[in-house]
Amino acid sequence: DIQMTQSPSFVSASVGDRVTITCRASQDISSWLAWYQQKPGKAPKLLIYTAFTLQSGVPSRFSGSQSGTEFTLTISSLQPEDFATYYCQQAKNFPALTFGQGTRVDIK
Amino acid sequence: EVQLVESGGGVVQPGGSLRLSCAASGFTFSSYEMSWVRQTPGKGLEWLSFISDSGRAVDYADSVKGRFTISRDNAKNSLFLQMNSLRVDDTALYFCARDLRSRYGANYFDPWGQGTLVTVSS
Repeated sequence: DIQMTQSPSFVSASVGDRVTITCRASQDISSWLAWYQQKPGKAPKLLIYTAFTLQSGVPSRFSGSQSGTEFTLTISSLQPEDFATYYCQQAKNFPALTFGQGTRVDIK
Repeated sequence: EVQLVESGGGVVQPGGSLRLSCAASGFTFSSYEMSWVRQTPGKGLEWLSFISDSGRAVDYADSVKGRFTISRDNAKNSLFLQMNSLRVDDTALYFCARDLRSRYGANYFDPWGQGTLVTVSS
């Protein structure tokens, strides 16, 4: 299976901060990567797919980028509603789809 | 509003069975593939199973292959997961999710239901 490794596991940040989360795939997944946001007690929500494409309705402060097998989710200016846990997911290797372990973004 | 609502979770003994349901509304259910994903504090998010829009194509993660069966009833806008031979490590929050494979070219999930909790314990 393709391993997805997120870093850091935890981020403490303030409103207005720029936050960057990284996800590294254990092998080439092309751009078949998604990012999800999950708030406590809620289901995950799709933010970005195919590494860069913003899902409809997602604020433009969220963006995705890629360098080889390393993917980045950036929140350009953290808002109060962005405090959550973020997961990456590779969609290259079906039916062995895998997720990262999550990055929790907490209030400093 | 697109909505998915799971039900059927509960407490079951090891070796037992449960059938989860997912009621869909707000979209043309028969036009979308669907998946089941579970979440545990220890293992995080784990994709389990996929079913095509017609129900003719299905697939499973190795961890549940041979024990779990996915199915759907398009006339009733419903998705199911029959879980047999349950083990303690199947304890998790189970989500159904709309699978965007035919629209986005890969298995991305949006939206998800709120989840139903399955506890396997003696």
